[in-house]
Amino acid sequence: SAVISQKPSRDICQRGTSLTIQCQVDSQVTMMFWYRQQPGQSLTLIATANQGSEATYESGFVIDKFPISRPNLTFSTLTVSNMSPEDSSIYLCSVGIAGPTDTQYFGPGTRLTVL
Amino acid sequence: SQQGEEDPQALSIQEGENATMNCSYKTSINNLQWYRQNSGRGLVHLILIRSNEREKHSGRLRVTLDTSKKSSSLLITASRAADTASYFCATAPSQGGSEKLVFGKGTKLTVNP
Repeated sequence: SAVISQKPSRDICQRGTSLTIQCQVDSQVTMMFWYRQQPGQSLTLIATANQGSEATYESGFVIDKFPISRPNLTFSTLTVSNMSPEDSSIYLCSVGIAGPTDTQYFGPGTRLTVL
Repeated sequence: SQQGEEDPQALSIQEGENATMNCSYKTSINNLQWYRQNSGRGLVHLILIRSNEREKHSGRLRVTLDTSKKSSSLLITASRAADTASYFCATAPSQGGSEKLVFGKGTKLTVNP
């Protein structure tokens, strides 16, 4: 298993600004994932962040809007850039220990509100 | 795109009753997983069932998988108020080289004391 923490837990931001969300894992993991959960909706995968390589983005998500860093095997950041109210969501990071399609362990999420 | 579709979307029961949630999917899978989410927080993994399994138990949870019907069900027996949460199924597709979980829309369960 893995214990994951995220910072901040919530934030209220102004339109046009950017927010960087941090994800810290208590053990070294190869695969980390970033999800978005819009209000009342399910989870949508934004990107997969593997250490030592560029993040892989899903359709509809681009690096300019959601730049990701993965400097080591226990840490990653997701930046939400040039925010608009439509970016108001919960952002979750997760890790896959045994594989990307095996059990994933999730952080507590970052609740973002953009005014 | 979302593969799993849960029903019902919302379910309200009394404490002590059983809760059954269903999940349907469209393509072949390697496994199907159920997760719980409390009040918009992080997801907690409940159970994973592989495509060659038909039923799994974990405490008060019982999961079934019918690959011929492309469906799964999650049964929570003797429900408690603390079971109030949203429940999501997630599928791991077996074809097309996809290595990503795909989450369904979720069932919001309310257990009334």
